[in-house]
Amino acid sequence: GENVEQHPSTLSVQEGDSAVIKCTYSDSASNYFPWYKQELGKRPQLIIDIRSNVGEKKDQRIAVTLNKTAKHFSLHITETQPEDSAVYFCAAPDGFSGGYNKLIFGAGTRLAVHP
Amino acid sequence: EAQVTQNPRYLITVTGKKLTVTCSQNMNHEYMSWYRQDPGLGLRQIYYSMNVEVTDKGDVPEGYKVSRKEKRNFPLILESPSPNQTSLYFCASSLSDPTGNYGYTFGSGTRLTVV
Repeated sequence: GENVEQHPSTLSVQEGDSAVIKCTYSDSASNYFPWYKQELGKRPQLIIDIRSNVGEKKDQRIAVTLNKTAKHFSLHITETQPEDSAVYFCAAPDGFSGGYNKLIFGAGTRLAVHP
Repeated sequence: EAQVTQNPRYLITVTGKKLTVTCSQNMNHEYMSWYRQDPGLGLRQIYYSMNVEVTDKGDVPEGYKVSRKEKRNFPLILESPSPNQTSLYFCASSLSDPTGNYGYTFGSGTRLTVV
């Protein structure tokens, strides 16, 4: 099955700096890579995702890049703000018999943005 | 309002006393799933259901049961809870499988403590 590794486990940045979180996956057939944000005491929420037919996707200050050859994808947050402080999870599909119907999550990255 | 509702939010119970955590969604989603969240381990899938009467094991199903008799409800049953099931539990739903064009909508979470 799919194995997803996420680094770093914690990340501390100054407000206005950029933050990068990286995930690697094991199944070369995986084709969908979402990122979820979980603020303290709240539920995870989807913030951005990317499919394997594109190499980069942007949404305002966040972007996700995908390197299929190396089997890794990264979340980039520019001009960080205190409200970006949260735990971020990456995920990749897992399945068998030609059907991918599960999401495997990374262990999470706790991002702290200091004013 | 479109949402996934979990109950209870907090629960303290004793070892061996059967309990049920309820999950209901009002979005007519086909796919529902249960995850547990533990520090350093991310979100691990317990069970999932792709439609009514169709359920399958996730990565950590031992000690749990589920049922999907109606499309909107997906209860999680712990027949004989043990302390190692102390965790934060999330129910999630998706229009179809979460590796398609639709992400997860998560419930608010249930913090379970087994003493």
